[in-house]
Amino acid sequence: AQSVTQPDIHITVSEGASLELRCNYSYGATPYLFWYVQSPGQGLQLLLKYFSGDTLVQGIKGFEAEFKRSQSSFNLRKPSVHWSDAAEYFCAVAAISSGSARQLTFGSGTQLTVLP
Amino acid sequence: GAVVSQHPSRVICKSGTSVKIECRSLDFQATTMFWYRQFPKQSLMLMATSNEGSKATYEQGVEKDKFLINHASLTLSTLTVTSAHPEDSSFYICSAKRTPSQPQHFGDGTRLSIL
Repeated sequence: AQSVTQPDIHITVSEGASLELRCNYSYGATPYLFWYVQSPGQGLQLLLKYFSGDTLVQGIKGFEAEFKRSQSSFNLRKPSVHWSDAAEYFCAVAAISSGSARQLTFGSGTQLTVLP
Repeated sequence: GAVVSQHPSRVICKSGTSVKIECRSLDFQATTMFWYRQFPKQSLMLMATSNEGSKATYEQGVEKDKFLINHASLTLSTLTVTSAHPEDSSFYICSAKRTPSQPQHFGDGTRLSIL
């Protein structure tokens, strides 16, 4: 069975600083990997996804993530954090289920606080 | 872009009441919809997978008779929490996919509070 680990429950950075959120996955085949962001009391917004090809993936809001098969990682990065980036971030892996619909397995999330 | 609408966004009701939550794909036909539940400070847990015109597939530990899912059309899935109790209080989020190979698009969630 697939699993996703986000080692950091809470990260605090200053506005303008760089950011890296860690994500490690366990999956038997080539993974489909995602990063979502959730603002308080709201649903999830897709930041970026990796299916195949270039291992460095660009997303919305200036985020990027790099797939490293050897490390089973898909870390999310941003060069300069903005106060509006404060939210909870979820890494997810897609699994094949019956009927070919791909369910998502989520990590436990990383809460990002941005200091002024 | 793909938009998923979830309604209501918040509901507060008495114990024993049944509550229906709607999930609509506004600008695409969703072959598959998913229902997730999120406990405070925790990740999302998949409850069930819903395919249009067929019975939902529930995850282990999710009571089918408690959480009724209907996917009557390609743009609408409903989750009914029957005879809700305080322990059912949670944040419920739906998502929809155009095709199995495309990403899920999430609704904004429903905050359910049972008194």
